[in-house]
Amino acid sequence: AQSVTQLDSHVSVSEGTPVLLRCNYSSSYSPSLFWYVQHPNKGLQLLLKYTSAATLVKGINGFEAEFKKSETSFHLTKPSAHMSDAAEYFCVVSDLTGRRALTFGSGTRLQVQP
Amino acid sequence: DGGITQSPKYLFRKEGQNVTLSCEQNLNHDAMYWYRQDPGQGLRLIYYSQIVNDFQKGDIAEGYSVSREKKESFPLTVTSAQKNPTAFYLCASSDDATGNYGYTFGSGTRLTVV
Repeated sequence: AQSVTQLDSHVSVSEGTPVLLRCNYSSSYSPSLFWYVQHPNKGLQLLLKYTSAATLVKGINGFEAEFKKSETSFHLTKPSAHMSDAAEYFCVVSDLTGRRALTFGSGTRLQVQP
Repeated sequence: DGGITQSPKYLFRKEGQNVTLSCEQNLNHDAMYWYRQDPGQGLRLIYYSQIVNDFQKGDIAEGYSVSREKKESFPLTVTSAQKNPTAFYLCASSDDATGNYGYTFGSGTRLTVV
């Protein structure tokens, strides 16, 4: 069975400071991992994905994530937060057996203070 | 442009009524999914379909029903048996049955029981 744990339900940063959103996963296989972003009352947008290629993955809007197998982590970072980054972020793991769909973490709400 | 269209954006249901949420995609994706989103709980899988005329229950299928008569369409019916239907419902699709390459999401339907 697979699972995802997002370690912080809320993160608050000041504009221009770094962002770190933490995610740990559990999977019996070499997983595919994703980060999605959701703005209020909107659908989810894919930020980036890891599918067993380079362990440092670059996504849209300046975000990146590093896959660390030894730590079973896939933390999302951005060097400098922008007000428009305020949203809900979901860490997601793929079930490679094909029998199921993606498994979502519970989400981290990012607030960006001016 | 290709994408997923969910309608309506807002839906109100009286106690004891069945309602149907529409999901249409023009991405030529084989797999489609329905998720329910509640505050602080992330996304939970209701039903998924990896091919036309076939679908599987997810984690919280009770009180819901689906059909997949066409590749493009995957409507969700919320029946009167669903005791707490007020939530945000998201439809997604993927061109890979494992979800290995991520999903495309619709913009969601917010259902409220009145």
